[in-house]
Amino acid sequence: NAGVTQTPKFQVLKTGQSMTLQCAQDMNHEYMSWYRQDPGMGLRLIHYSVGAGITDQGEVPNGYNVSRSTTEDFPLRLLSAAPSQTSVYFCASKFSPQTFPSSPLHFGNGTRLTVT
Amino acid sequence: AQKITQTQPGMFVQEKEAVTLDCTYDTSDPSYGLFWYKQPSSGEMIFLIYQGSYDQQNATEGRYSLNFQKARKSANLVISASQLGDSAMYFCAMREGRNTGKLIFGQGTTLQVKP
Repeated sequence: NAGVTQTPKFQVLKTGQSMTLQCAQDMNHEYMSWYRQDPGMGLRLIHYSVGAGITDQGEVPNGYNVSRSTTEDFPLRLLSAAPSQTSVYFCASKFSPQTFPSSPLHFGNGTRLTVT
Repeated sequence: AQKITQTQPGMFVQEKEAVTLDCTYDTSDPSYGLFWYKQPSSGEMIFLIYQGSYDQQNATEGRYSLNFQKARKSANLVISASQLGDSAMYFCAMREGRNTGKLIFGQGTTLQVKP
């Protein structure tokens, strides 16, 4: 099983450029989310989705957009990259929180993004 | 206010010994869940163990157990018989409320196992 697949693994952007981080899962998970990981700060939630067509903001949503047109895919768009967005980005998914509250998040392998 | 606190930035343990990684949390919601994840140097996030706020017994999964002290709001991870492969960053995370997938993460603890 592929699980949660993130592409690309590494990316370098110049300030002001835009890009999309891809995330796909094949576990039929209703819930999907994006986190960023910065040294000394753990992981912080950017955006999340409880199902196709439904998205909401997390703790640090500024500068990012998401959409959820299918159950499987949850891309993260950086609109105009800034050096402060240099980070490691993780996509994660799980079964419906309402039905399976104790089920864990399954994480992709991360995307390391550098903005110069 | 910090919701999840891991006060040990780095720890060392001798191979085959047990080690406890500390995690304290803060919530006013009676329904919550606590998760521990391991992040090896390769970067992936690996789920280890879960404890629900209403669970009567401490969670265990193989060599991992959770020392859950509800009144103290602590959920410490105990790794028994440490192995070299346990060297990694460990994150404690909390689900605040029942019907949410959102997790709040601590800052992490780096564990190094010495041969």
